[in-house]
Amino acid sequence: DTGVSQDPRHKITKRGQNVTFRCDPISEHNRLYWYRQTLGQGPEFLTYFQNEAQLEKSRLLSDRFSAERPKGSFSTLEIQRTEQGDSAMYLCASRSAGGRETQYFGPGTRLLVL
Amino acid sequence: DQQVKQNSPSLSVQEGRISILNCDYTNSMFDYFLWYKKYPAEGPTFLISISSIKDKNEDGRFTVFLNKSAKHLSLHIVPSQPGDSAVYFCAAWGNAGNMLTFGGGTRLMVKP
Repeated sequence: DTGVSQDPRHKITKRGQNVTFRCDPISEHNRLYWYRQTLGQGPEFLTYFQNEAQLEKSRLLSDRFSAERPKGSFSTLEIQRTEQGDSAMYLCASRSAGGRETQYFGPGTRLLVL
Repeated sequence: DQQVKQNSPSLSVQEGRISILNCDYTNSMFDYFLWYKKYPAEGPTFLISISSIKDKNEDGRFTVFLNKSAKHLSLHIVPSQPGDSAVYFCAAWGNAGNMLTFGGGTRLMVKP
């Protein structure tokens, strides 16, 4: 399977705990995106990497959120001191270089903060 | 402010008939539009796209129409099949950034 993969698929945590999610993009894609989706809404942009450089961050990405892509391949998204409002589906997408290339999404990580 | 809107949260269609899903946008900087389909517990799957230099793009049973003057696009599915039942998201590209801006989605139910 050469699609975008995410791990874990589901995470339940208690408020105040830290969580980390991983995304493995399609191998030849150098652009990587993180989105968050809450119930009944469309995905909302969080952050964007071109290779290992984090080029854009949404104002939705509070200081409790940090994302990395150390070698320009996989990426991690960490949420510190989780809050109940962080409960959502976290989606990763990747695309190849170019003007308007399609973004391909992974299956997502569903986070529930109790 | 919602720059991409899908005003119908749900749509029910009989198998074999046409499904028409609508999307409106407000930002005239958007120059590329995509439709994604999403099943429960899965990520969005790319369906079809259209550049702002075109007004129609067709791929099998799926056709996307773009009306730039009205800032409106629509997805036509003909004929609709039960397997098309999913949530459909319209997304736009070009808002001075590298991200997609999504609408809220429309849940399509195709009845056998």
